[in-house]
Amino acid sequence: DIQMTQSPSSLSASVGDRVTFTCRASRSVNNYLNWYQQKPGKAPHLLIYTVSTLQSGVPSRFSGSGSETNFTLTISSLQPEDFALYYCQQTFSTPYTFGQGTRLEIK
Amino acid sequence: QVQLQESGPGLVKPSQTLSLTCTVSNGSIGSGGYYWSWVRQHPGKGLEWIGYIFYTGSSYYNPSLKSRATISMDTSKNQYSLKLTSVTAADTAVYYCARVVMTWARSWFDPWGQGTLVTVSS
Repeated sequence: DIQMTQSPSSLSASVGDRVTFTCRASRSVNNYLNWYQQKPGKAPHLLIYTVSTLQSGVPSRFSGSGSETNFTLTISSLQPEDFALYYCQQTFSTPYTFGQGTRLEIK
Repeated sequence: QVQLQESGPGLVKPSQTLSLTCTVSNGSIGSGGYYWSWVRQHPGKGLEWIGYIFYTGSSYYNPSLKSRATISMDTSKNQYSLKLTSVTAADTAVYYCARVVMTWARSWFDPWGQGTLVTVSS
């Protein structure tokens, strides 16, 4: 199985801050890397697929980059609704696997 | 837009079979082009992919479930289902159904159902 490791596990930030999360794969996942946002009591919601393509309706303050084994999700200017859990996922090979998540909290 | 909704018992006894159904609306599961998946999330934990089924009926499962999972589909009802046998407390989780979009060189899960909590307890 491909292991996905996210860092940090949690992050405190303020509205307006720029934040970056990291996701590392135990081996190359090519560009089969997606990001999801999850709010308490809700299902995960697709933000970005294939490393950097924003899902329809996702604000442009979200961006993704990376390749092979190292990927990042950046939020350029945090808004109150962005405080949530963020997961990366590889769909390069089955079993598909998720990172353990990064919790973004209000400072 | 396509919507998914899970349904099934919220409480299952140990050693019994967990059975859940995902009803898909505003889209046909038999029309091809998508895989239909189940994902679970243990309380306070991360996400675990269970498996998926294609409209042809072919399916694939996470080996971590040791062959306990079976996903099937009923195109006449536009539903697909998950059965997980010999459950233990470790199977207590929120279970999500999700559509898997697969195109050349890319795949992702969207949309997701709202999730349903299944507790395994006597």
